[in-house]
Amino acid sequence: GAVVSQHPSRVICKSGTSVKIECRSLDFQATTMFWYRQFPKQSLMLMATSNEGSKATYEQGVEKDKFLINHASLTLSTLTVTSAHPEDSSFYICSARDFGQGYTFGSGTRLTVV
Amino acid sequence: GNSVTQMEGPVTLSEEAFLTINCTYTATGYPSLFWYVQYPGEGLQLLLKATKADDKGSNKGFEATYRKETTSFHLEKGSVQVSDSAVYFCALLAGGGADGLTFGKGTHLIIQP
Repeated sequence: GAVVSQHPSRVICKSGTSVKIECRSLDFQATTMFWYRQFPKQSLMLMATSNEGSKATYEQGVEKDKFLINHASLTLSTLTVTSAHPEDSSFYICSARDFGQGYTFGSGTRLTVV
Repeated sequence: GNSVTQMEGPVTLSEEAFLTINCTYTATGYPSLFWYVQYPGEGLQLLLKATKADDKGSNKGFEATYRKETTSFHLEKGSVQVSDSAVYFCALLAGGGADGLTFGKGTHLIIQP
């Protein structure tokens, strides 16, 4: 079946630094990828939709200058958390969509900003 | 807007017990409905889905029926196993599918031997 690889699984960074999270579709081409954020005991909240070769579409309330998304190829989307602060600590999950296979999720990235 | 409400956890059951996890939704149009499962340390996996009213999704002994009249998609299993311990998310996809999924908060299920 379809596999989405998300890396890193855990990252700890200092406040003020930037962190990049990668999401790769390993055996299919993903024209559309989604980035979610999950707070403890909360829903997964859609942050943005990433379309290959075009700008990402951000959900209301998500700062596009803080959460930079790049989808430069059909198999890779990246989320960069810029100038991270402790309140950015969360669980980030990507999902890739291929019209033949539905939605496949990565295993998530636990970001801790200290 | 779209929303999904599911019962809060944790839900603790004994092995072989009957399971119901309630899920109700609010959406415009005719959404597709999903149940995802997240085992410890792993990503989300699609458990089952239903794309129109009265459809029943089923997989691994789990079932859920799309009830438009009650806007519900309750997850059921007749006899749970310890290996079913996980977090279960109800989700919907509205519109033409161009958007991401809308998730419920998740229900942590604990099955005791």
